[in-house]
Amino acid sequence: EVQLVESGGGVVRPGGSLRLSCAASGFTFDDYGMNWVRQAPGKGLEWVSGINWNGGSTGYADSLKGRFIISRDNAKNSLYLQMHSLRAEDTALYYCARSSSRNYGHCDYWGQGTLVTVSS
Amino acid sequence: AIRMTQSPSSFSASTGDRVTITCRASQGISSYLAWYQQKPGKAPKLLIYAASTLQSGVPSRFSGSGSGTDFTLTISCLQSEDFASYYCQQYYSYPYSFGQGTKLEIK
Repeated sequence: EVQLVESGGGVVRPGGSLRLSCAASGFTFDDYGMNWVRQAPGKGLEWVSGINWNGGSTGYADSLKGRFIISRDNAKNSLYLQMHSLRAEDTALYYCARSSSRNYGHCDYWGQGTLVTVSS
Repeated sequence: AIRMTQSPSSFSASTGDRVTITCRASQGISSYLAWYQQKPGKAPKLLIYAASTLQSGVPSRFSGSGSGTDFTLTISCLQSEDFASYYCQQYYSYPYSFGQGTKLEIK
């Protein structure tokens, strides 16, 4: 059974940093690309970032302006999102989602999310 | 970046109705389009990918069509469990993007 478990969320001050993790199990991790998708309270889904199977190709939402970095450790079956210069508008539930193929694709499995709150 | 526009934003319908949600891309995306269903407090669930391919386990009352810039999600006979929010997503190129969502409510 495919499982994606996010962690690392919490309350952080504006301007602060946070690192999210996603532990994957139930499938061969390095056969798939991965994504981060977020959802602000009461709002819709926003794609944040994606990475291919070996980390050689990454993509980011234009709205992030270079503040976030996606990475993966295939030896640990883990996906990460390093977030810097956090703002109130980054407050959201952050989902880890598997891509349907090694490089690109739709999101076929999702975790339950980790909540990030940016507040002073 | 490719912008995805869904309509309507919200819609009221009754059990048994046929419902269609539309999604338009700001540029051609071939058939690289997915539809997701999300219920309150839950993670999104994949319904359809490649514009018209039903994900395994999804009821056949759900169908998708379109290519290029215009796409539709149709629910042929609404069931009580279908009242939820629906999102389209393009995965043609980075940055991927979602539509703003359609909230389907009980009339």
